[in-house]
This record gives sequence, C-alpha cells and structure tokens, in this order.
Amino acid sequence: EAGVAQSPRYKIIEKRQSVAFWCNPISGHATLYWYQQILGQGPKLLIQFQNNGVVDDSQLPKDRFSAERLKGVDSTLKIQPAKLEDSAVYLCASSRDRWQETQYFGPGTRLLVL
Amino acid sequence: SQQGEEDPQALSIQEGENATMNCSYKTSINNLQWYRQNSGRGLVHLILIRSNEREKHSGRLRVTLDTSKKSSSLLITASRAADTASYFCATDKSSGDKLTFGTGTRLAVRP
Repeated sequence: EAGVAQSPRYKIIEKRQSVAFWCNPISGHATLYWYQQILGQGPKLLIQFQNNGVVDDSQLPKDRFSAERLKGVDSTLKIQPAKLEDSAVYLCASSRDRWQETQYFGPGTRLLVL
Repeated sequence: SQQGEEDPQALSIQEGENATMNCSYKTSINNLQWYRQNSGRGLVHLILIRSNEREKHSGRLRVTLDTSKKSSSLLITASRAADTASYFCATDKSSGDKLTFGTGTRLAVRP
C-alpha cells in the first residue's frame, strides 16, 4: 500500500511570495489533514477534510492560508503572501475516516521563508 | 495550543538501556497516542491507549495512562540505535475529534 505522498520536499521562498504544497493521501482514505510543525514543536492541525468538505479549519490563518480538496482525493495548501514565521514543516496525513484514530503521515514539505 | 507536554525534552541513553518518557495533558481525553518522528521525516503511529485502559504493550513498547494525574508514560525497552527519534504524545477529547500533539521528547540512543 502506497503511503501519503507530498511535494515538493523542500521549498525556499522570500517573504511576500506565494507557495503551494500538494498531498496525495492513501487510496481510499476519506479524511485528510494538514499540519504545521515549527522547529522544536509538535504538529499543529491547520485544516481537516472529510472527502471534499472541511471538518475543522479553526487554526488556519485564513487571511493568508487556503486549502482545497476539490475531488475528495488529493489536496493543495497555499500560503499567500508568506511571512517569515511561516517557516516550518508542513505535514499531510490521512485516515480511513475521521473516526479511525490512527493517522498516516507523509514525509512533509520543509518551507524556509527568507 | 499544545495539549500535551513531554518530559524530558531530550534524553540520551546507551544502546540496550531502557528509555522512559512522560506526557502530561490538561483536559479530559478520549484516547492518547504516541508517535515517532525520525529526523526530517513524517510521523509514525506507535500505540494508542484509550481513557479506560491503564497499560498497553506492543513489542518493546509499554504505555501507561493515569487519567487521575492526566499523564502517560512510554517505555522503550532494550533500546537500539534505530530508536533515535523524537517521540510525541497526541490526545483527542472525543471520537472523531482532532489530535492535539505535545512538544515531543528527543531520544538519542548511542551505539
């Protein structure tokens, strides 16, 4: 079974630029999560999708971050414009459904904003 | 906000020794999970313990949960160099609720 795929693995941008991350969850997983992990901290949930609907985006900075999962499969997370404090690893995870407790994580995208 | 706080923040042990790390949380939980994160990689699920359970084993892992103290411990026995990683606890408040991760313990196992 293929795992969660993410791209790119690394991205360096200057502040005020925009950036997008892509995630393809495990096949058949209805729930998809985007996390932000700042160096030295645990992951923080940004947004949770169930199929193509948003379940929780309470911690997503909506003035600059957006995410979509239009067909209920892969997803993109966008930051526009980026700030220095957005430097972090962005992790995507999926689970069979929102009631499956175990989440499966991708390798993450490491973002550096200069 | 971080629900869990792991202790210690960093731990260095010799291969073959046991490693114990602790997690404290603030509010009532439904489940508590432990995840491992190797350097530069995603997280891997290790073990889940439910709020009505007190102890659980999986291979070389032993997890305990004390809901009265709002704390959990993860014991790794007979550690190996490959156990070098960061370990995070994560809690949810109810079924289907989001996971809230702690700050993590960095474990280094010296060969």
